[in-house]
Amino acid sequence: IAGITQAPTSQILAAGRRMTLRCTQDMRHNAMYWYRQDLGLGLRLIHYSNTAGTTGKGEVPDGYSVSRANTDDFPLTLASAVPSQTSVYFCASSDGSASYGYTFGSGTRLTVV
Amino acid sequence: GENVEQHPSTLSVQEGDSAVIKCTYSDSASNYFPWYKQELGKRPQLIIDIRSNVGEKKDQRIAVTLNKTAKHFSLHITETQPEDSAVYFCAASKGGSYIPTFGRGTSLIVHP
Repeated sequence: IAGITQAPTSQILAAGRRMTLRCTQDMRHNAMYWYRQDLGLGLRLIHYSNTAGTTGKGEVPDGYSVSRANTDDFPLTLASAVPSQTSVYFCASSDGSASYGYTFGSGTRLTVV
Repeated sequence: GENVEQHPSTLSVQEGDSAVIKCTYSDSASNYFPWYKQELGKRPQLIIDIRSNVGEKKDQRIAVTLNKTAKHFSLHITETQPEDSAVYFCAASKGGSYIPTFGRGTSLIVHP
């Protein structure tokens, strides 16, 4: 692995089903984030984690949950998917120290039908 | 909290022309301003950033300027090329563990 990896790349999901989007980084970054991207709305923060063991809510957290059991992994779970959660989801990480810029994953395109 | 406004939402230029994208921010404590480029179907990638102790930064054909007094910063692309076509996002952050606030993006189209 080099950088930050997301899985799956895309998914079609029936409404009401549970889904976990995976995110793994090998850069030992402390901070990790989940964004959703919708046309015309830019990048909206769902949840974040400043360090392993801690998480926080972003701008649009409802319907989503996260966990941060270790530094490398930051999964995003949709407990019961709804069509409004159709979006492209990006995971990102940052070391928050020497460089404040984000490294983004390649994204997951989720369609809820 | 921080609010970042980005303009224009769409910018169309001819190849070789310059392009300027502007962002304003509300929190005077913000001190880090990155710009991201997102090509169609791909992830956003950091292309240039500036910190509040610097007024201008250049990297080949791209430059960023910052006016702390007016609380605005701009991305300048000179001699545009078709491969510059993408969505560009600005962001403002107080650095460290603070989470950046993103603008809504500018779709730049460079016509050959």
